[in-house]
Amino acid sequence: EPEVTQTPSHQVTQMGQEVILRCVPISNHLYFYWYRQILGQKVEFLVSFYNNEISEKSEIFDDQFSVERPDGSNFTLKIRSTKLEDSAMYFCASSRGQVTNEKLFFGSGTQLSVL
Amino acid sequence: RKEVEQDPGPFNVPEGATVAFNCTYSNSASQSFFWYRQDCRKEPKLLMSVYSSGNEDGRFTAQLNRASQYISLLIRDSKLSDSATYLCVPYGGSQGNLIFGKGTKLSVKP
Repeated sequence: EPEVTQTPSHQVTQMGQEVILRCVPISNHLYFYWYRQILGQKVEFLVSFYNNEISEKSEIFDDQFSVERPDGSNFTLKIRSTKLEDSAMYFCASSRGQVTNEKLFFGSGTQLSVL
Repeated sequence: RKEVEQDPGPFNVPEGATVAFNCTYSNSASQSFFWYRQDCRKEPKLLMSVYSSGNEDGRFTAQLNRASQYISLLIRDSKLSDSATYLCVPYGGSQGNLIFGKGTKLSVKP
């Protein structure tokens, strides 16, 4: 089965530093997403991306966050100035079509630790 | 009221047992519903979609009651590999905005 791949699997950074989390969605998918999960908490939606623009974003996705699809294969999440509370597992996901009709595939996540 | 409410468990059951999970959701406009499973510190994986008429996939049966805003999952003949957290996930109505609950933890023992 095709996979969404995420790198790195673990990222440690100092508070205030910028981080970029990278994802390679499944090649024929058109919709891309970022979710996050703070340890012991529920999975939370951050942002969805389609046709080279943000489709929807949650309240969590403030000005410190940005997403980009710099080429035909990568999908990145940038956190401009990390805070301690940004420590979480970040999951990238993709789907071929809208999630009502198509399965959402998640990557295995990047564990971000902000010190 | 929370968007999704589930009994956190844990449900500790022996192999072969039948176990049922329930979930209530608050957004009456939700149109699509899913059950995901999540192993410890892993990504969520789609278990099954939930259809209005109820649906079955092998040992798993899902039911939806829109009037009560209630979803259920039944697992028959539990296997050790079914041990995981089961997440009830209504679709929030926008692209990709799946609303995850905290899930119900299942532990199947030999």
